[in-house]
Amino acid sequence: EIVMTQSPATLSVSPGERATLSCRASQSVSSNLAWYQQNPGQAPRLLIYGASTRATGIPARFSGSGSGTEFTLTISSLQSEDFAVYYCQQYNNWPPWTFGQGTKVEIK
Amino acid sequence: EVQLLESGGGLVQPGGSLRLSCAASGFTFSIYAMTWVRQAPGKGLEWVSTISGSSSSTYYADSVKGRFTISRDNSKNTLYLQMNSLTAEDTAVYYCAKKRRELPSSAHLDYWGQGSLVTVSS
Repeated sequence: EIVMTQSPATLSVSPGERATLSCRASQSVSSNLAWYQQNPGQAPRLLIYGASTRATGIPARFSGSGSGTEFTLTISSLQSEDFAVYYCQQYNNWPPWTFGQGTKVEIK
Repeated sequence: EVQLLESGGGLVQPGGSLRLSCAASGFTFSIYAMTWVRQAPGKGLEWVSTISGSSSSTYYADSVKGRFTISRDNSKNTLYLQMNSLTAEDTAVYYCAKKRRELPSSAHLDYWGQGSLVTVSS
């Protein structure tokens, strides 16, 4: 089973600032890595797939990078609606399809 | 517009059973794999089960194997999760989600339902 580890657990950022979230896989997942955003009380929604491709309707301030075992989600200028929990998920080696434990982005 | 609508959640006693449904619309249901993901209160996301479009392949997390059964009725555009021998550890919001491609292709989850809460308690 591939273990996904996200860091930090909580990131405190001021509106308008840049946020950088990390996700590490216990073994290579190639570029088969997705990022999801979950706002309080809502379902997750797809942000990034293929490590770096934005999903339909996702603003350009969200960007993903990395391959193999190290991945990054960057939010260039945080808006109020971006304060949420972010999960990475690998879909390269399955089953199981595994998620990271999440990074909460909170207002500083 | 893709829509996934879960139903069937509720309060059930330990050892009991429950069946979740997920009504799909806005896409050709039969050609996509579908997945259940759950989230315990205050916790992260946990993959539960995946089924291929034709129902020929099913996969389960170790935590539910032998107790849960995933199925689908392509004539009704509906996904199911039969949950038996429930324990308190199964308490969670259960989301159905559409995979971007059919199995065995590797694919992400591109659409999610709003979730259905299952509470296992006496």
